[in-house]
Amino acid sequence: DVKVTQSSRYLVKRTGEKVFLECVQDMDHENMFWYRQDPGLGLRLIYFSYDVKMKEKGDIPEGYSVSREKKERFSLILESASTNQTSMYLCASKPTGSEKLFFGSGTQLSVL
Amino acid sequence: QQQVKQSPQSLIVQKGGISIINCAYENTAFDYFPWYQQFPGKGPALLIAIRPDVSEKKEGRFTISFNKSAKQFSLHIMDSQPGDSATYFCAASMEGYSTLTFGKGTMLLVSP
Repeated sequence: DVKVTQSSRYLVKRTGEKVFLECVQDMDHENMFWYRQDPGLGLRLIYFSYDVKMKEKGDIPEGYSVSREKKERFSLILESASTNQTSMYLCASKPTGSEKLFFGSGTQLSVL
Repeated sequence: QQQVKQSPQSLIVQKGGISIINCAYENTAFDYFPWYQQFPGKGPALLIAIRPDVSEKKEGRFTISFNKSAKQFSLHIMDSQPGDSATYFCAASMEGYSTLTFGKGTMLLVSP
């Protein structure tokens, strides 16, 4: 069965901390995505990657960076966490040539 | 600029009733229109999708109606059940692009 695993379900961090959100998929998908979900704002794309070591900015990349050193793993990095980055973060993947996104269960990040 | 507008933001329907969620888009280059369903504590999952070459697609109790000239599409849930209570997102993408643009979501509650 298809699986996208996000390392933490809940995370609490302090302002200014460097935060790593990890995502692993076991489906050999080329494409991986990071979204944030906020009430009333829907799903907004932060970054995506279509291959190892490749990355593209999404709609709201400011304050974030990503790393994809291996095909199965896509990390989202908050260099200096701020309170406005408190949100639900969703990782997703899909194979090239398919439209269907597979999502993880999300990481609820609180920045205090 | 929001490219996919979704309404209503929330919806309460009696069990057995019809739930209708609407989306409108601006970019005529969009050619793939999926709906995702998200239960609390879970990531979104693909529910049903349509392409502009057909005006309607039905899968069980779920139907997408598509109006190309009006640049609108809608999700109809027939015989709505309490188990359908979830957040629904419409989305759109263009051929050759790997990213989806999501609507802001509709929280559906089906009362027993």
